[in-house]
Amino acid sequence: EPEVTQTPSHQVTQMGQEVILRCVPISNHLYFYWYRQILGQKVEFLVSFYNNEISEKSEIFDDQFSVERPDGSNFTLKIRSTKLEDSAMYFCASSPGQGGDEQFFGPGTRLTVL
Amino acid sequence: GEDVEQSLFLSVREGDSSVINCTYTDSSSTYLYWYKQEPGAGLQLLTYIFSNMDMKQDQRLTVLLNKKDKHLSLRIADTQTGDSAIYFCAETYMDTGRRALTFGSGTRLQVQP
Repeated sequence: EPEVTQTPSHQVTQMGQEVILRCVPISNHLYFYWYRQILGQKVEFLVSFYNNEISEKSEIFDDQFSVERPDGSNFTLKIRSTKLEDSAMYFCASSPGQGGDEQFFGPGTRLTVL
Repeated sequence: GEDVEQSLFLSVREGDSSVINCTYTDSSSTYLYWYKQEPGAGLQLLTYIFSNMDMKQDQRLTVLLNKKDKHLSLRIADTQTGDSAIYFCAETYMDTGRRALTFGSGTRLQVQP
């Protein structure tokens, strides 16, 4: 069964450094998403991406964040200058763009900012 | 803005039915979802219901939607120890360009043997 994959599973970085989180969505899906879950808090929407551009973003997704689909399979989230409060589990998801448009999630990348 | 609320914890005995409840505030919600998260794992989609439906059944899972009260429930029949996990409800108003899910805080289900 096709699934969303994410790498790395755990990323440790120093405050102020740039990080890139990688995702491979399900191959025939059209919409791609990033969510995050700070420890003990709700899963929060960051951004959605369709047809090679951002289709929706939340207030959290400010100028330090960017997304890219560099090729036909990968979808990345870049955080330019990490802050302590960026420490969270980051989930990538994809959806087919039709019907119930169910979003299928990857296993997540745990980002720890020191 | 949208808000989704769930109770934090539910404990049941193996073989009993579990009912996990969720309330939401956005009356324009079109799709409501249930996700399961096991320790250290991602979010597994269990089922969803469209807002013009009252009920959806899928094997041991039954979803009930009361649109008037904005109340959603997930019933798990014959609960097993493998069902122990955190269950999240989520909603979206699916419109052109808008698909962001709003999640509840999750209900931790503990199944006792």
